[in-house]
Amino acid sequence: DAKTTQPTSMDCAEGRAANLPCNHSTISGNEYVYWYRQIHSQGPQYIIHGLKNNETNEMASLIITEDRKSSTLILPHATLRDTAVYYCIVRPPVYRNQFYFGTGTSLTVIP
Amino acid sequence: EADIYQTPRYLVIGTGKKITLECSQTMGHDKMYWYQQDPGMELHLIHYSYGVNSTEKGDLSSESTVSRIRTEHFPLTLESARPSHTSQYLCASSDRQGTYEQYFGPGTRLTVT
Repeated sequence: DAKTTQPTSMDCAEGRAANLPCNHSTISGNEYVYWYRQIHSQGPQYIIHGLKNNETNEMASLIITEDRKSSTLILPHATLRDTAVYYCIVRPPVYRNQFYFGTGTSLTVIP
Repeated sequence: EADIYQTPRYLVIGTGKKITLECSQTMGHDKMYWYQQDPGMELHLIHYSYGVNSTEKGDLSSESTVSRIRTEHFPLTLESARPSHTSQYLCASSDRQGTYEQYFGPGTRLTVT
């Protein structure tokens, strides 16, 4: 399974954009990038996913580089409730649909 | 909002007891999963199921067992609980179509004394 590399922790000021990077240099052409977050040991929550194109939804934006070796999750206006561990996951397009969550990035939004 | 439920949310039990952690989903999802997570650590997949009567072991070896008799129900059982089983257990489900995203339950925090 393609693995990802994320910074262990990041801080962001409340109201500012939070940019969370992820490296996935071994990603294959048909593997998707997914982002989840986990707030204080609750069950992880799906945020967004993409293959090649940039994606945006009501929660965040996902920017994938042209070579697909890295991506950035953007929370446009971070709030205190966005404090969580963010997981970047590469999911192969196979039936099993198994995710490897890794250690993620612990984002702290500072008032 | 995902409709996946886990009971109990918290359980403190003595060594040697048999326990069953319940997980149910009302979304009609074929795939269901059990993850184990120690505080501040990674999630590890311990069991998964592709449908009724289908169960497989995950990446992390676990002494627990699972069953999938009904689509909506995926219980996890420990025949004889030990302190090493103390952890958080998270259940998830996903559809085989669409975004393939996994919906997680709130988790069961198990403490074995």
